[in-house]
Amino acid sequence: SAVISQKPSRDICQRGTSLTIQCQVDSQVTMMFWYRQQPGQSLTLIATANQGSEATYESGFVIDKFPISRPNLTFSTLTVSNMSPEDSSIYLCSVATSGGTDTQYFGPGTRLTVL
Amino acid sequence: AQKVTQAQTEISVVEKEDVTLDCVYETRDTTYYLFWYKQPPSGELVFLIRRNSFDEQNEISGRYSWNFQKSTSSFNFTITASQVVDSAVYFCALSEYSGGGADGLTFGKGTHLIIQP
Repeated sequence: SAVISQKPSRDICQRGTSLTIQCQVDSQVTMMFWYRQQPGQSLTLIATANQGSEATYESGFVIDKFPISRPNLTFSTLTVSNMSPEDSSIYLCSVATSGGTDTQYFGPGTRLTVL
Repeated sequence: AQKVTQAQTEISVVEKEDVTLDCVYETRDTTYYLFWYKQPPSGELVFLIRRNSFDEQNEISGRYSWNFQKSTSSFNFTITASQVVDSAVYFCALSEYSGGGADGLTFGKGTHLIIQP
């Protein structure tokens, strides 16, 4: 399995500001994903981030609000823009390992609180 | 569109009891993957098992076992002789296959399992 780290692990932000979350993997992976877990809820896929192409967003999520970068096969960022208290969630990145297994492993998450 | 249903919101059992967590899924694809993840109180998401749609063989790993039945679109998870450390939220998830690789996961709402000492 891949070792995944996220920065920051948590943050408290003011309404109207933006936060960029980093996801680093210890090996090259083709597919990376970003999820949101609202308080007490399940996980919802935000977007798929593949290196060398635009991120693919799920219904209800837009690039202006959640811009994503994927500059190489080990790193991705998710920005939460113009934040409101409704954006308070845990944001998790995951990676799909290669070799035909396609198991998704998750990072530790970034706990975001917007005041 | 795919969907995963975990009808049990919360289950509470006494330690050493067996417990089964239910998962029912919907998909139009013939190729898909099913997963179970554990989320303990610390918050990290721990991978437990992955099963592809062509492999209906049940699996056992220690005290954990999984029963995959395509006929009923179910992928149930049983913990035998439960322990307090099994207390967590358990998520069932589905991933369809787009040809270029697995898609993102669709999660069920999760089952909060409480094991009482």
